[in-house]
Amino acid sequence: KNQVEQSPQSLIILEGKNCTLQCNYTVSPFSNLRWYKQDTGRGPVSLTIMTFSENTKSNGRYTATLDADTKQSSLHITASQLSDSASYICVVSATSGTYKYIFGTGTRLKVLA
Amino acid sequence: NAGVTQTPKFQVLKTGQSMTLQCAQDMNHEYMSWYRQDPGMGLRLIHYSVGAGITDQGEVPNGYNVSRSTTEDFPLRLLSAAPSQTSVYFCASSYASEPPYNSPLHFGNGTRLTVT
Repeated sequence: KNQVEQSPQSLIILEGKNCTLQCNYTVSPFSNLRWYKQDTGRGPVSLTIMTFSENTKSNGRYTATLDADTKQSSLHITASQLSDSASYICVVSATSGTYKYIFGTGTRLKVLA
Repeated sequence: NAGVTQTPKFQVLKTGQSMTLQCAQDMNHEYMSWYRQDPGMGLRLIHYSVGAGITDQGEVPNGYNVSRSTTEDFPLRLLSAAPSQTSVYFCASSYASEPPYNSPLHFGNGTRLTVT
């Protein structure tokens, strides 16, 4: 069964600190992996998209890595800000099947001043 | 540039009532889809469309209907609301409807539905 698992479920850090969120997937065949940020009461917003041939992609203070061999990805947030408080969702796209996008349950990050 | 617009933002229904959740996008995206988001679960696909006149079922289609008469609009109809349909509903769109699906999904800000 295609699955995407994220850890930790929730995380609290102090402003200015770095953190890393994890995503493991069992989706096959694999097309691409995305990270989304979802603020409370809003829809998810795309941060990065990586294909199987890419192993890192950055978007400002957000850096995503992908290891297609071990089927793991991470999202590293550098110098966190209060505005980084949100849920971060890992989404894996399969190249076949009806359900094109498989969503993880997200990591809820809270950044404290 | 409005992106993906969903209405209403909030709705309360009684069991058995019907309603339509509206979704419109102004980006000329071929692919549009509806998801529901429930606590402790990832977003689940209800229905999707790869172009006007073309729709297909997702993971959890029962109790919902869709149609796609124009590129811009993709309404979701609840035929007879049930408490199990209490959820937050998101509409999303993107350019790519065929592999390699590398276009980002653009989401609306959701409709929070409560069925009593």
